[in-house]
Amino acid sequence: QSALTQPASVSGSPGQSITISCTGTSSDVGGYNYVSWYQQHPGKAPKIMIYEVSNRPSGVPDRFSGSKSGNTASLTISGLQAEDEADYYCSSYTSSSTRVFGGGTKLTVL
Amino acid sequence: QVQLQESGPGLVKPSETLSLTCTVSGGSINSHYWSWIRQPPGKGLEWIGYIYYSGSTNYIPSLKSRVTISVDTSKNQFSLKLSSVTAADTAVYYCARFLVDEDYFDYWGQGTLVTVSS
Repeated sequence: QSALTQPASVSGSPGQSITISCTGTSSDVGGYNYVSWYQQHPGKAPKIMIYEVSNRPSGVPDRFSGSKSGNTASLTISGLQAEDEADYYCSSYTSSSTRVFGGGTKLTVL
Repeated sequence: QVQLQESGPGLVKPSETLSLTCTVSGGSINSHYWSWIRQPPGKGLEWIGYIYYSGSTNYIPSLKSRVTISVDTSKNQFSLKLSSVTAADTAVYYCARFLVDEDYFDYWGQGTLVTVSS
Protein backbone atom coordinates (compact mmCIF):
# COMPACT_ATOMS: atom_id res chain seq x y z
CA GLN A 1 0.00 0.00 0.00
CA SER A 2 1.26 3.49 -0.81
CA ALA A 3 1.31 6.37 1.66
CA LEU A 4 -1.40 8.95 1.23
CA THR A 5 -0.23 12.15 -0.46
CA GLN A 6 0.10 15.32 1.59
CA PRO A 7 1.91 18.59 0.80
CA ALA A 8 5.33 18.66 2.45
CA SER A 9 4.72 22.04 4.02
CA VAL A 10 2.15 24.78 4.50
CA SER A 11 2.39 28.10 6.30
CA GLY A 12 0.17 30.86 7.57
CA SER A 13 0.16 33.88 9.82
CA PRO A 14 -1.51 33.98 13.22
CA GLY A 15 -5.25 34.40 12.88
CA GLN A 16 -5.34 33.12 9.32
CA SER A 17 -6.79 29.81 8.07
CA ILE A 18 -4.89 27.02 6.36
CA THR A 19 -5.95 23.77 4.74
CA ILE A 20 -3.93 20.58 4.45
CA SER A 21 -4.96 18.05 1.81
CA CYS A 22 -4.64 14.27 1.93
CA THR A 23 -5.09 12.42 -1.35
CA GLY A 24 -5.60 8.69 -1.67
CA THR A 25 -7.63 6.39 -3.87
CA SER A 26 -11.06 4.81 -3.98
CA SER A 27 -9.54 1.92 -2.00
CA ASP A 28 -8.84 4.08 1.02
CA VAL A 29 -9.80 7.75 1.46
CA GLY A 30 -12.47 7.76 -1.23
CA GLY A 31 -14.06 4.49 -0.25
CA TYR A 32 -14.64 4.96 3.47
CA ASN A 33 -15.44 7.67 6.00
CA TYR A 34 -12.57 6.53 8.20
CA VAL A 35 -10.08 9.35 7.77
CA SER A 36 -8.33 10.70 10.84
CA TRP A 37 -5.82 13.49 11.43
CA TYR A 38 -2.96 13.63 13.94
CA GLN A 39 -0.84 16.51 15.23
CA GLN A 40 2.76 15.81 16.19
CA HIS A 41 5.06 18.26 17.91
CA PRO A 42 8.84 17.61 17.72
CA GLY A 43 9.91 14.73 19.90
CA LYS A 44 6.36 13.95 20.95
CA ALA A 45 3.85 11.25 20.16
CA PRO A 46 1.07 12.06 17.69
CA LYS A 47 -2.24 13.37 19.05
CA ILE A 48 -5.63 12.70 17.51
CA MET A 49 -7.33 15.85 16.18
CA ILE A 50 -10.05 14.59 13.81
CA TYR A 51 -11.63 11.16 13.28
CA GLU A 52 -14.23 9.78 10.87
CA VAL A 53 -13.45 12.63 8.45
CA SER A 54 -14.95 15.46 10.51
CA ASN A 55 -15.43 14.48 14.16
CA ARG A 56 -13.42 16.14 16.92
CA PRO A 57 -12.51 14.25 20.11
CA SER A 58 -13.32 16.10 23.31
CA GLY A 59 -10.69 18.68 24.15
CA VAL A 60 -9.76 19.51 20.57
CA PRO A 61 -10.52 23.17 19.73
CA ASP A 62 -13.28 23.79 17.20
CA ARG A 63 -10.71 25.73 15.15
CA PHE A 64 -9.83 22.32 13.74
CA SER A 65 -12.22 20.87 11.17
CA GLY A 66 -12.16 18.10 8.59
CA SER A 67 -13.89 17.32 5.33
CA LYS A 68 -13.68 14.99 2.34
CA SER A 69 -14.45 15.17 -1.35
CA GLY A 70 -13.87 12.14 -3.52
CA ASN A 71 -10.42 10.70 -2.88
CA THR A 72 -9.15 13.80 -1.04
CA ALA A 73 -9.63 14.64 2.62
CA SER A 74 -8.79 18.01 4.12
CA LEU A 75 -7.89 19.42 7.51
CA THR A 76 -8.63 23.10 8.05
CA ILE A 77 -7.25 25.12 10.94
CA SER A 78 -8.85 28.52 11.40
CA GLY A 79 -7.59 31.31 13.61
CA LEU A 80 -4.03 29.97 13.49
CA GLN A 81 -2.10 30.11 16.73
CA ALA A 82 1.62 29.72 17.38
CA GLU A 83 0.98 26.44 19.22
CA ASP A 84 -0.49 24.94 16.05
CA GLU A 85 2.98 24.78 14.51
CA ALA A 86 3.62 21.05 14.18
CA ASP A 87 3.58 18.15 11.77
CA TYR A 88 0.19 16.84 10.68
CA TYR A 89 -0.59 13.35 9.42
CA CYS A 90 -3.73 11.91 7.88
CA SER A 91 -4.65 8.26 8.16
CA SER A 92 -7.22 6.08 6.44
CA TYR A 93 -8.79 2.66 6.56
CA THR A 94 -8.07 0.63 3.42
CA SER A 95 -9.91 -2.03 1.44
CA SER A 96 -7.38 -4.58 2.76
CA SER A 97 -8.50 -3.76 6.32
CA THR A 98 -5.10 -2.19 6.98
CA ARG A 99 -4.39 1.42 7.88
CA VAL A 100 -2.23 3.84 5.93
CA PHE A 101 -0.77 7.21 6.90
CA GLY A 102 0.02 10.23 4.79
CA GLY A 103 3.59 11.42 4.36
CA GLY A 104 3.04 14.30 6.75
CA THR A 105 2.80 18.09 6.41
CA LYS A 106 4.91 20.58 8.32
CA LEU A 107 2.84 23.58 9.38
CA THR A 108 4.78 26.78 9.99
CA VAL A 109 3.09 29.69 11.75
CA LEU A 110 4.82 32.79 10.44
CA GLN B 1 -6.16 7.84 32.32
CA VAL B 2 -4.74 5.11 30.12
CA GLN B 3 -0.96 5.18 29.75
CA LEU B 4 1.28 3.14 27.47
CA GLN B 5 5.01 2.59 27.86
CA GLU B 6 7.32 0.93 25.34
CA SER B 7 10.36 -1.00 26.51
CA GLY B 8 13.13 -2.99 24.87
CA PRO B 9 16.66 -2.75 23.46
CA GLY B 10 17.60 0.48 21.76
CA LEU B 11 20.22 -1.19 19.57
CA VAL B 12 19.75 -4.30 17.44
CA LYS B 13 22.26 -5.91 15.07
CA PRO B 14 21.40 -6.44 11.40
CA SER B 15 19.69 -9.78 10.67
CA GLU B 16 18.62 -10.16 14.30
CA THR B 17 15.13 -9.82 15.79
CA LEU B 18 13.78 -6.57 17.20
CA SER B 19 11.65 -7.16 20.32
CA LEU B 20 9.57 -4.52 22.08
CA THR B 21 6.93 -4.65 24.79
CA CYS B 22 4.18 -2.15 25.53
CA THR B 23 2.83 -2.03 29.08
CA VAL B 24 -0.67 -0.63 29.51
CA SER B 25 -1.60 1.04 32.80
CA GLY B 26 -4.67 2.89 34.01
CA GLY B 27 -6.98 0.57 32.12
CA SER B 28 -7.47 -3.02 31.01
CA ILE B 29 -6.03 -4.43 27.82
CA ASN B 30 -9.24 -6.43 27.43
CA SER B 31 -11.91 -5.45 24.91
CA HIS B 32 -9.60 -3.23 22.88
CA TYR B 33 -7.31 -3.31 19.86
CA TRP B 34 -3.63 -2.47 20.31
CA SER B 35 -1.27 -1.30 17.61
CA TRP B 36 2.36 -0.68 16.71
CA ILE B 37 3.37 2.28 14.55
CA ARG B 38 6.88 3.35 13.61
CA GLN B 39 8.56 6.52 12.38
CA PRO B 40 12.03 6.51 10.79
CA PRO B 41 14.13 9.51 11.82
CA GLY B 42 12.90 12.63 10.01
CA LYS B 43 10.22 10.70 8.15
CA GLY B 44 6.51 9.93 8.38
CA LEU B 45 4.43 7.43 10.33
CA GLU B 46 3.99 3.83 9.23
CA TRP B 47 1.31 1.54 10.63
CA ILE B 48 2.78 -1.90 11.40
CA GLY B 49 -0.27 -3.79 12.63
CA TYR B 50 -2.63 -4.42 15.49
CA ILE B 51 -3.84 -7.16 17.80
CA TYR B 52 -7.18 -7.66 19.53
CA TYR B 53 -6.99 -8.71 23.18
CA SER B 54 -8.28 -12.13 22.12
CA GLY B 55 -5.19 -12.58 19.93
CA SER B 56 -6.43 -11.91 16.39
CA THR B 57 -4.01 -9.83 14.34
CA ASN B 58 -3.72 -7.73 11.21
CA TYR B 59 -0.39 -6.63 9.69
CA ILE B 60 0.80 -4.33 6.94
CA PRO B 61 1.50 -6.58 3.90
CA SER B 62 5.05 -5.29 3.37
CA LEU B 63 6.13 -6.52 6.82
CA LYS B 64 3.81 -9.49 7.24
CA SER B 65 6.52 -12.10 6.66
CA ARG B 66 8.74 -10.62 9.39
CA VAL B 67 6.38 -9.29 12.06
CA THR B 68 4.57 -10.87 14.99
CA ILE B 69 2.39 -9.01 17.48
CA SER B 70 1.31 -10.90 20.59
CA VAL B 71 -0.63 -10.10 23.76
CA ASP B 72 -0.32 -11.13 27.40
CA THR B 73 -3.55 -10.16 29.13
CA SER B 74 -2.28 -11.38 32.52
CA LYS B 75 0.46 -8.74 32.41
CA ASN B 76 -1.58 -6.09 30.56
CA GLN B 77 1.11 -6.07 27.87
CA PHE B 78 1.44 -6.59 24.16
CA SER B 79 4.61 -7.11 22.16
CA LEU B 80 6.23 -6.65 18.78
CA LYS B 81 8.78 -8.90 17.16
CA LEU B 82 10.37 -7.97 13.83
CA SER B 83 12.83 -10.45 12.40
CA SER B 84 15.76 -10.12 9.99
CA VAL B 85 16.10 -6.39 10.61
CA THR B 86 18.14 -4.03 8.45
CA ALA B 87 19.10 -0.38 8.75
CA ALA B 88 15.77 0.47 7.12
CA ASP B 89 14.02 -0.71 10.29
CA THR B 90 15.71 2.00 12.35
CA ALA B 91 12.86 4.10 13.72
CA VAL B 92 10.98 5.38 16.73
CA TYR B 93 8.47 2.68 17.56
CA TYR B 94 5.15 3.71 19.13
CA CYS B 95 2.52 1.54 20.73
CA ALA B 96 -1.04 2.84 20.71
CA ARG B 97 -4.60 1.90 21.57
CA PHE B 98 -6.84 1.64 18.52
CA LEU B 99 -10.57 2.36 18.66
CA VAL B 100 -11.83 0.11 15.88
CA ASP B 101 -15.40 1.46 15.73
CA GLU B 102 -14.25 5.05 15.23
CA ASP B 103 -11.04 3.94 13.51
CA TYR B 104 -8.41 6.03 15.26
CA PHE B 105 -5.53 5.78 17.71
CA ASP B 106 -6.49 7.54 20.94
CA TYR B 107 -3.71 6.78 23.43
CA TRP B 108 -0.03 6.56 22.45
CA GLY B 109 3.17 5.65 24.20
CA GLN B 110 6.02 8.14 24.20
CA GLY B 111 7.91 6.11 21.60
CA THR B 112 11.24 4.34 21.75
CA LEU B 113 14.10 4.69 19.28
CA VAL B 114 15.47 1.42 17.95
CA THR B 115 18.66 1.63 15.92
CA VAL B 116 19.78 -1.24 13.71
CA SER B 117 23.55 -1.23 13.51
CA SER B 118 26.47 -3.57 14.00
